[in-house]
Amino acid sequence: DGGITQSPKYLFRKEGQNVTLSCEQNLNHDAMYWYRQDPGQGLRLIYYSQIVNDFQKGDIAEGYSVSREKKESFPLTVTSAQKNPTAFYLCASSFNRVEFDYGYTFGSGTRLTVV
Amino acid sequence: KQEVTQIPAALSVPEGENLVLNCSFTDSAIYNLQWFRQDPGKGLTSLLLIQSSQREQTSGRLNASLDKSSGRSTLYIAASQPGDSATYLCAGAVFQGAQKLVFGQGTRLTINP
Repeated sequence: DGGITQSPKYLFRKEGQNVTLSCEQNLNHDAMYWYRQDPGQGLRLIYYSQIVNDFQKGDIAEGYSVSREKKESFPLTVTSAQKNPTAFYLCASSFNRVEFDYGYTFGSGTRLTVV
Repeated sequence: KQEVTQIPAALSVPEGENLVLNCSFTDSAIYNLQWFRQDPGKGLTSLLLIQSSQREQTSGRLNASLDKSSGRSTLYIAASQPGDSATYLCAGAVFQGAQKLVFGQGTRLTINP
């Protein structure tokens, strides 16, 4: 079945540590996205990528980094510069082409907690 | 800049009722509008997608409408069931090389048996 796989489901980070969240899709989607969800604040866009080897900052990119070396993969690194990383992180993908407008597909999320 | 608002923030109704969830957006140049369902601690499940040229979409007991001129979308749930209890999120897309979704803060729905 086609879909998006996020791993791990739960992740714990110590102060000053970088951690990487994995996102893989087998939907042949062009674009991939990372969102952060906090209670009472809805979903906010961190980074997005339209094509391989290209990505753009979203609304809250500070303290995060991404790469897009393969069409299927869009990992997110939460760096030590991110002062409040505890949140639920959601990865999504979509087609870029108007003729293939099927909306977004989301993964099941990674819950990151600072310990 | 696209902004999306959902009203009410929470809703509790008895089983069997028909109900309407509301979503408003500020930019009428919307690419599409998508309704999602989120269960506690889970990812988002797409319910309905309305493209900008469409007025409504239906799936089973769900019907979503889109009125670009008034900046509104509604999600109608018929004959509600306890299994419909979840948070419902509305998201409007703008196309800037890629679809960028702007989310409302959601409506937390509880259906009481």
